[in-house]
Amino acid sequence: KAGVTQTPRYLIKTRGQQVTLSCSPISGHRSVSWYQQTPGQGLQFLFEYFSETQRNKGNFPGRFSGRQFSNSRSEMNVSTLELGDSALYLCASSMGGENTEAFFGQGTRLTVV
Amino acid sequence: GEDVEQSLFLSVREGDSSVINCTYTDSSSTYLYWYKQEPGAGLQLLTYIFSNMDMKQDQRLTVLLNKKDKHLSLRIADTQTGDSAIYFCAERVQGAQKLVFGQGTRLTINP
Repeated sequence: KAGVTQTPRYLIKTRGQQVTLSCSPISGHRSVSWYQQTPGQGLQFLFEYFSETQRNKGNFPGRFSGRQFSNSRSEMNVSTLELGDSALYLCASSMGGENTEAFFGQGTRLTVV
Repeated sequence: GEDVEQSLFLSVREGDSSVINCTYTDSSSTYLYWYKQEPGAGLQLLTYIFSNMDMKQDQRLTVLLNKKDKHLSLRIADTQTGDSAIYFCAERVQGAQKLVFGQGTRLTINP
């Protein structure tokens, strides 16, 4: 069974640009969550999608948005990039029920210059 | 609110046991998790424990949960060089898929 796939693995963008990251969950998993990891703030929850609907949202500005498609693949978009958005973005895949494990992808390393 | 605390560093000798500790604040947490992160990699789920359990053992890993003190620990028996990594404790917010992570404990193995 394939694991969680995130693309691309690395990205370099300029301040003010926008970026889209992609996450393909484990087959059969309907929940995709996104996290931002930085040395200063650690791992922080961005949002979670289940069956194409956002169920939970963290404390991030509106520049961070996401969506989920009918095949459960999810994309995350960051507009008007700032230097502070440089981070490892991780997505987690789970069945979505009450007692489920969350499996993470390798992450996308975003550098904003 | 939700908060998870871990010590930042732990150094052990190869072959010894490692014990990584974690405290959390949300008494309604249903599941508590341990993840491992190696350099340049994502998070690998090691094990998890349901909040009504005291202990869970899985090969070299033992998780102990003291719900009264909101204290969780991960014991790695016979620590090997391949266990060098950052270990994250996380609590699952009740009714949501959201995980709240500690800062991570960097485990260093000395020969």
